[in-house]
Amino acid sequence: DQQVKQNSPSLSVQEGRISILNCDYTNSMFDYFLWYKKYPAEGPTFLISISSIKDKNEDGRFTVFLNKSAKHLSLHIVPSQPGDSAVYFCAASAGWGSGGSNYKLTFGKGTLLTVNP
Amino acid sequence: EPEVTQTPSHQVTQMGQEVILRCVPISNHLYFYWYRQILGQKVEFLVSFYNNEISEKSEIFDDQFSVERPDGSNFTLKIRSTKLEDSAMYFCASSVRENTEAFFGQGTRLTVV
Repeated sequence: DQQVKQNSPSLSVQEGRISILNCDYTNSMFDYFLWYKKYPAEGPTFLISISSIKDKNEDGRFTVFLNKSAKHLSLHIVPSQPGDSAVYFCAASAGWGSGGSNYKLTFGKGTLLTVNP
Repeated sequence: EPEVTQTPSHQVTQMGQEVILRCVPISNHLYFYWYRQILGQKVEFLVSFYNNEISEKSEIFDDQFSVERPDGSNFTLKIRSTKLEDSAMYFCASSVRENTEAFFGQGTRLTVV
């Protein structure tokens, strides 16, 4: 049951360049999307989120883009830094806009980002 | 910065034993969650808890599992009779409201032998 898919298990970029992490979803009820970063032996750390009423949300070096018609979102990190090296998880939930059940996050498998100095 | 704290960081238990995983959510948060990640697999939702009752639970959260908020600060996950397949990282999370981001603890690695 892969409702949230991150098709690239890994990505390697040079320091200073842009990192683009992609995520696709199949459940049309999802209306709230989040990106988490995870270092080994730590819990996921919240990075940025976007609701379905927007198509872009920016926070410092991190920007998330949402394409609802394609059921696709992406996380851009500019410029990438070695400290950004981690596993990035895309997550989604349903019911944000309607006050329905929004308690459950469905995660993708994650993408390991390596930023080389 | 406020954070979700979990204890212990690692728990080893024998199959069939009961374990209790403990969490202290962020103090002004009202919604509490348990997730788990089996090695090499996705982070999976187990249960959500609000106003002293379960809001939603997954198929994984069967009768072997229970959650409790015994006082104003702790949130616990109990596994009554552990199985080998319960071995995983268990993450506690909390959020201010139901439609905001959840903040995760550092996890408890449960190893069932």
